[in-house]
Amino acid sequence: GQQVMQIPQYQHVQEGEDFTTYCNSSTTLSNIQWYKQRPGGHPVFLIQLVKSGEVKKQKRLTFQFGEAKKNSSLHITATQTTDVGTYFCAGVILTGGGNKLTFGTGTQLKVEL
Amino acid sequence: NAGVTQTPKFQVLKTGQSMTLQCAQDMNHEYMSWYRQDPGMGLRLIHYSVGAGITDQGEVPNGYNVSRSTTEDFPLRLLSAAPSQTSVYFCASSRDLFSGGATDTQYFGPGTRLTVL
Repeated sequence: GQQVMQIPQYQHVQEGEDFTTYCNSSTTLSNIQWYKQRPGGHPVFLIQLVKSGEVKKQKRLTFQFGEAKKNSSLHITATQTTDVGTYFCAGVILTGGGNKLTFGTGTQLKVEL
Repeated sequence: NAGVTQTPKFQVLKTGQSMTLQCAQDMNHEYMSWYRQDPGMGLRLIHYSVGAGITDQGEVPNGYNVSRSTTEDFPLRLLSAAPSQTSVYFCASSRDLFSGGATDTQYFGPGTRLTVL
């Protein structure tokens, strides 16, 4: 079953407000990736976090990997209409058969003017 | 570089029909995978390949077959289409198998929107 959960499922914000999506795994992750999918488009890779407690920034986006490597978050400061889309986390889980990438359920962000 | 290409973009099938979704990449990536995306379910891995001649099952493999005869191509075959297979299908590729390095970036194709009546 689904091992990587994301909350919230939907988020509506006014332009300029901040936005955060949270990703939680039932098992320890090796790495975690984040993707953005615009409406009608395909997922686009944003970033990968590898180290426990790691924090990375891309302009207004801040990505964080938890100390226990079981959770992660994406925070967008001062949202813009160009941020509209669905944000997915994807956890890498080490298994006997090799590394496997499991996607979260996604958070759909809508930004209103 | 064209990146990852998928054909067709749209397809309508009748229950019981078979078809092949095509996927190709020109980045010489070893790792390729097929996902299906359904509302509220995120992306679920169907099959993946770590190189030519090597394939393995993902989370939801039933009703689908794959083969990898070349590095570039990774077709997905629906054996006998069912309405439950109505979905958007994405193919993706990456240089490495998520080992934590910069070459883990996974590139997705534009998707195939499949409807099974």
